[in-house]
Amino acid sequence: KQEVTQIPAALSVPEGENLVLNCSFTDSAIYNLQWFRQDPGKGLTSLLLIQSSQREQTSGRLNASLDKSSGRSTLYIAASQPGDSATYLCAVRLEDSNYQLIWGAGTKLIIKP
Amino acid sequence: GAVVSQHPSWVICKSGTSVKIECRSLDFQATTMFWYRQFPKQSLMLMATSNEGSKATYEQGVEKDKFLINHASLTLSTLTVTSAHPEDSSFYICSASFKDTQYFGPGTRLTVL
Repeated sequence: KQEVTQIPAALSVPEGENLVLNCSFTDSAIYNLQWFRQDPGKGLTSLLLIQSSQREQTSGRLNASLDKSSGRSTLYIAASQPGDSATYLCAVRLEDSNYQLIWGAGTKLIIKP
Repeated sequence: GAVVSQHPSWVICKSGTSVKIECRSLDFQATTMFWYRQFPKQSLMLMATSNEGSKATYEQGVEKDKFLINHASLTLSTLTVTSAHPEDSSFYICSASFKDTQYFGPGTRLTVL
């Protein structure tokens, strides 16, 4: 059974720092992996999607990497800003699933001005 | 493109009443939609997978007679919480699949008094 773990559960850093959020999964047979952002009481915003054949994806100050064989993904945020404060969720789609996603518990990120 | 809406965004109801939540794909057709529930400070929990024109597939532990799902068209799925109780209070999020990706609605906050 696929399990997705996110470490740390919470992170607080000063503005301007670069940071890394981690996501690990137990079954390497994934179709893709996706990183989302969720603001308090709000829905989800998709940040980056990495297909199983890809190693990384970049969007602005965000860079997500995928090491399928070791079951790991990282989300790198450069030059963090207070507006980056949110909960970041990673989710994997299994190879044989009907679009079903398996979710991590999230990392709550606070960027201090 | 690929926008998903939910209505209502929030609802307060009395215990014992039924509440219907709508999920619409605004600019694409979705053969598959998903319903999630999220309790405070927890990740998303998949409740059911809704396929247009067929019965929904419920996850283990989710009562199909309590959470009625109808996916009558390619752009609309509804979730009806029947005889709601305070423990059903939660944040309900739907998503719709399109081109290998799930697109999420903004969520519906349900409070049962």
